[in-house]
Amino acid sequence: DSGVTQTPKHLITATGQRVTLRCSPRSGDLSVYWYQQSLDQGLQFLIQYYNGEERAKGNILERFSAQQFPDLHSELNLSSLELGDSALYFCASSVEFGRAGTDTQYFGPGTRLTVL
Amino acid sequence: AQKITQTQPGMFVQEKEAVTLDCTYDTSDQSYGLFWYKQPSSGEMIFLIYQGSYDEQNATEGRYSLNFQKARKSANLVISASQLGDSAMYFCAMREAANNAGNNRKLIWGLGTSLAVNP
Repeated sequence: DSGVTQTPKHLITATGQRVTLRCSPRSGDLSVYWYQQSLDQGLQFLIQYYNGEERAKGNILERFSAQQFPDLHSELNLSSLELGDSALYFCASSVEFGRAGTDTQYFGPGTRLTVL
Repeated sequence: AQKITQTQPGMFVQEKEAVTLDCTYDTSDQSYGLFWYKQPSSGEMIFLIYQGSYDEQNATEGRYSLNFQKARKSANLVISASQLGDSAMYFCAMREAANNAGNNRKLIWGLGTSLAVNP
């Protein structure tokens, strides 16, 4: 158990709908990262937050948004869902921001999203 | 550009034998971290081992060790005494140091190697 929690574990929805994925980082971790894992594109970095502020953006679609709340939990919002959004969405957290390459990212169990 | 290459899509190993999973990387940065993660069929992503670019010794964690060859830009994972529970996907990942603005903290991933341990 990494200490990172994600809910829900599975989500099945229809095209055009909106969903919210939730992540709670490990105790003490200030950085949260979101990744998407799909069969055709592998693991892709979406976005990173540190202590409530957005720090880096990756291949995140405009239909997707995220935020990190004062209690450090984070939510990833996916809207106008398409079939191609079906994937495993991971949240990861790490201790510090700014140290040279050292802090390990620990992953939650993931949310498996199926868009029908 | 940062890149991770895992050239072995699939590997087989006999139980109790050692196996090496290859990983090469490309970066122009001097300071970076290399990570290996395991993803069993259940889907979770499990951190295995870390190697810093300035670490002089190869990292080890139990049955996992990292064969780090900086000049060749390779960071191969060695699993000793394979167990049936080692059957999984294995991902190599790299992160460069943050720039002055504190950005570039994302992990760059390889496509993974599927390891099957035979009894």
